[in-house]
Amino acid sequence: DQQVKQNSPSLSVQEGRISILNCDYTNSMFDYFLWYKKYPAEGPTFLISISSIKDKNEDGRFTVFLNKSAKHLSLHIVPSQPGDSAVYFCAATNSGGSNYKLTFGKGTLLTVNP
Amino acid sequence: EPEVTQTPSHQVTQMGQEVILRCVPISNHLYFYWYRQILGQKVEFLVSFYNNEISEKSEIFDDQFSVERPDGSNFTLKIRSTKLEDSAMYFCASSQQGAVVYYGYTFGSGTRLTVV
Repeated sequence: DQQVKQNSPSLSVQEGRISILNCDYTNSMFDYFLWYKKYPAEGPTFLISISSIKDKNEDGRFTVFLNKSAKHLSLHIVPSQPGDSAVYFCAATNSGGSNYKLTFGKGTLLTVNP
Repeated sequence: EPEVTQTPSHQVTQMGQEVILRCVPISNHLYFYWYRQILGQKVEFLVSFYNNEISEKSEIFDDQFSVERPDGSNFTLKIRSTKLEDSAMYFCASSQQGAVVYYGYTFGSGTRLTVV
């Protein structure tokens, strides 16, 4: 039961261009969405989050957009840099639960070419 | 910057043996988690721990699994009798109460468990 789906296993972009990573979810109870970045042999690192009452959140080069009616979110990285090459995980949680369990997607491998 | 520390980084064990994966969460965090990632698959929730007890566990977390916070700093995951399908990267994570939705968890670097 994939409640969080990242349908693109990989994405390749040129340095300086925009990277757009997509994520869909099915559980209407999710009200916070998070993006994590993961390098090989490291744990996931938090990037940015968004509440379901917002449609956009921005932090430097990273912007997350949420389309609640479509149950879709995306992460935009502008401009992309070679150091951004990593696996990006979308995650979701229901803040009404007491333990903030995260449900992850399968991840998208982003490769930024110099 | 505070970090979550996991040991060992890699453990190889024979099927049927017990393993203990160790974690030192960030000291002022209140919520503790174990997740795992089988190679090529998604990161899966195993268990959450708060106020010295399990607050939620997944279907994966059966009777072969247990967690402990024996001394107020360490947080351990024990697998009593390992199976081949337990081979995965196991991640420990911790968070401050309520901060998860704004700052996420802090994950450790993981323990790669290989069952042979």
